This record gives sequence, structure tokens and C-alpha cells, in this order.
Amino acid sequence: KQEVTQIPAALSVPEGENLVLNCSFTDSAIYNLQWFRQDPGKGLTSLLLIQSSQREQTSGRLNASLDKSSGRSTLYIAASQPGDSATYLCAWSGGYQKVTFGTGTKLQVIP
Amino acid sequence: NAGVTQTPKFQVLKTGQSMTLQCAQDMNHNSMYWYRQDPGMGLRLIYYSASEGTTDKGEVPNGYNVSRLNKREFSLRLESAAPSQTSVYFCASTQTGSGAAQYFGPGTRLLVL
Repeated sequence: KQEVTQIPAALSVPEGENLVLNCSFTDSAIYNLQWFRQDPGKGLTSLLLIQSSQREQTSGRLNASLDKSSGRSTLYIAASQPGDSATYLCAWSGGYQKVTFGTGTKLQVIP
Repeated sequence: NAGVTQTPKFQVLKTGQSMTLQCAQDMNHNSMYWYRQDPGMGLRLIYYSASEGTTDKGEVPNGYNVSRLNKREFSLRLESAAPSQTSVYFCASTQTGSGAAQYFGPGTRLLVL
């Protein structure tokens, strides 16, 4: 069974720090990997989507990479801000019904 | 452009009651999904609809039924609610092709007493 793991489960950093969130998966037959942000009591907001043929995607201060051979994806956040505080989820997709989410990393950026 | 909308936002049910969660999207997406989110479990797929007129079971379909009413709407029904169905339910949609990004609604918080 596919497993998606996100470590650490929680992370607290001072404002301005660069940070990396990790996502690992066991099934390399991947279609895409998507990173989401979830604020408390809210839905999921899509941040970045990496297709299986891609190595990385960038949006503003965010950069996500994908290494299928090692079963890992990372989300890099540059110059973190208090507004970045949220839970970050990664989702592995192997097709329509094959979507597995990690349990998330709760990020707190301290002013 | 509202994206994905869900109703109701919050609901309390007694064990054995039934209810339908509504979901609609205005992005002309072909595929729609229902997930539940529980603490420590992450999001788990209940049912999905690859296109209008088709539905398929996901990881945790027991106790639920779905209807793809048209291209825009995808409803989730609990026929006889159980406390184990207390959760936050999310609807999502995506464009044709399993390589497309998913877009989520704001969620429905369901409490079954």
C-alpha cells in the first residue's frame, strides 16, 4: 500500500529563515505530486503541482522538487513570513483514484 | 468564479439520521472527488467521479453513496449516520487527465452524536 510521510509533523522557525519541508512516498509509479496549504478550519489551497516528467516547480518564494528514484519531494520556502504559518500537505497521485495524502507539516513562523 | 462550493458548512446529526452533502464547481472540470479528513489520518478518498455519469469507490466508501447529478454537481449521502462518520468532508475537482491539479472546497464539518 502506498504510504506518504511528511517529516517533521511540526516546525517552528523565526521570521526570515529559509526552510525545507519533506515528503516521501513508497510508490514510484507517480503521475504527479501536489503541495497544498491548509489554514485552520479552512480547505486546501493548491501551491504547486509537479508532473512526473518534471524535476521542480517554482512560484514566488516557493520551490518544489521531485525525485522519483528516491521517492522524495521537498517544498522550499524562502524568507519565511508569519503569513506562511499553516499546515502544508503533499499529495501523491498515481491516477484518478490513486491519490494519497501525507498527514502534513504544521509550520509556525515566529515574528 | 466561485471555484468549488460546499453546503452546509457545519452539521450536527444524531446516530441513524441521514443527510446529503452538496458540492458544486464552476470551473468546467470533468472529475470530482469526496474526501474525509480526520486527525492523524490525513485526507482519505471516499468516492470519485471521473466524468459525468460515472462514479467509483475510493479508499473508504462504506456508509456513503454519491450522485453525479450533472457536470457541475457531485453529492455525498450518508444514509444512516454513525459516530465514526464524524469528520470534515472536502469536495475537490480537477480537469480531465490524472495529471491535473485538484481544487478543493472549504469543507463541511459533520458531528454525529
